[in-house]
Parts: sequence; structure tokens; C-alpha cells
Amino acid sequence: GENVEQHPSTLSVQEGDSAVIKCTYSDSASNYFPWYKQELGKRPQLIIDIRSNVGEKKDQRIAVTLNKTAKHFSLHITETQPEDSAVYFCAASNHGGSQGNLIFGKGTKLSVKP
Amino acid sequence: GAVVSQHPSWVICKSGTSVKIECRSLDFQATTMFWYRQFPKQSLMLMATSNEGSKATYEQGVEKDKFLINHASLTLSTLTVTSAHPEDSSFYICSAPDSHSTDTQYFGPGTRLTVL
Repeated sequence: GENVEQHPSTLSVQEGDSAVIKCTYSDSASNYFPWYKQELGKRPQLIIDIRSNVGEKKDQRIAVTLNKTAKHFSLHITETQPEDSAVYFCAASNHGGSQGNLIFGKGTKLSVKP
Repeated sequence: GAVVSQHPSWVICKSGTSVKIECRSLDFQATTMFWYRQFPKQSLMLMATSNEGSKATYEQGVEKDKFLINHASLTLSTLTVTSAHPEDSSFYICSAPDSHSTDTQYFGPGTRLTVL
């Protein structure tokens, strides 16, 4: 089955700096890669996603890149703000095979210092 | 986006009792829902896939007789933790795919279960 590795487990940056979180996946059949932000005790919130037919996607300060050959994808947050502090999870799914069940990475705790 | 609710938001029970958690899609129909478990400071682990009108599909290592799943309608899936023990204490979260795109999943607010 699919296995998703995520690094780093913790990341501390200064406000205004950029943050990068990286994930690798094992199943070449995976074709959908969302990123979720989770604040303590709350539900995961989808912040951006990318499908395997696209190499990069951007939404304001957030971007995701995908390298299918290497089987890795990354989240980039620019001009970080204290409210970006949270745990971020990457995930992968084989949409066609299982109607979208997600396999999550272990998460990255991002701390943005004012 | 689509809205998924869960009830209760938290529950405390004695060891040996059973607890039912409901997951509802409020403004869309979901033939499939997913149940995850999240221990403190850990990731979300997929427990099972709930299928409307048929049996749930459980992930390896998840006891189907302990975690009973019922998906009786297109908007409701229930997870019953039977004979709960302290090690079952966790954050249980359901999700449902957007009916227009089976990729995008919307998560419920989660249920914090504490077994004494």
C-alpha cells in the first residue's frame, strides 16, 4: 500500500521568511496530493491540492510542486505570518482505486515567530 | 465548500461501555465516508471506508468487530466503539468526498473520546 513520508517534523521560521515542507510517496499510482492545515483540537482544513497531471500550483502565498518521477511533492509558504503556525499534513490518494481514501504523512509543526 | 458534522464533539465513558459517533454530510450526499483516528501529536490514521448500503472496508490492523460502522443513508455514517478501553481514547474524525469531485475531502470537526 501507499506510504507517505514527511519532513521536517518541526519547523521554526521568522515572520516574513519562507517555509518549505517536503513529502515523498511510494505508490506510483497515486494521483492526488492535498495539503491540510490543522490547528490544535480542530479539523484538518484543505489549503491546497495538486493532481498528477500538473507540476505546480499556486494560491497567493501558498504553492505546491510535484515531481512524479521522483515521487515527491512540496509545500511552499512565502511571507509567513504568525497565524500560519499550525500542523501541516501532506497526503496522497489513488482516486481511481479507492474513491479517494487519503494516506497522510506524519505532519510538520510549523511555528512562525513574530 | 461542503459541510460535514460530527456528534458528539466529545465524550467520556467508562471502560467496557460502547460509544456511538455520528458523521453527517449536511449539504451533499456521500456514498462513501472515511473514518480516521488521531492520537495526540500524531497523524491521521485511516481506520475504515464506510460505504452506503454495503459493508465497510477496514484497514489492516483495525478490528471490525470492535469498531462497528454503519452507513445506512447517503448523509449519515456511524462509528460505534464497542467495549471501549482506555487505549481507545483518541480523536476520531470522519471525512466525505465532495460529490462533484471525489478527490476533495471535507473533514468533520472530530470527536474526542476519553475512556476512563
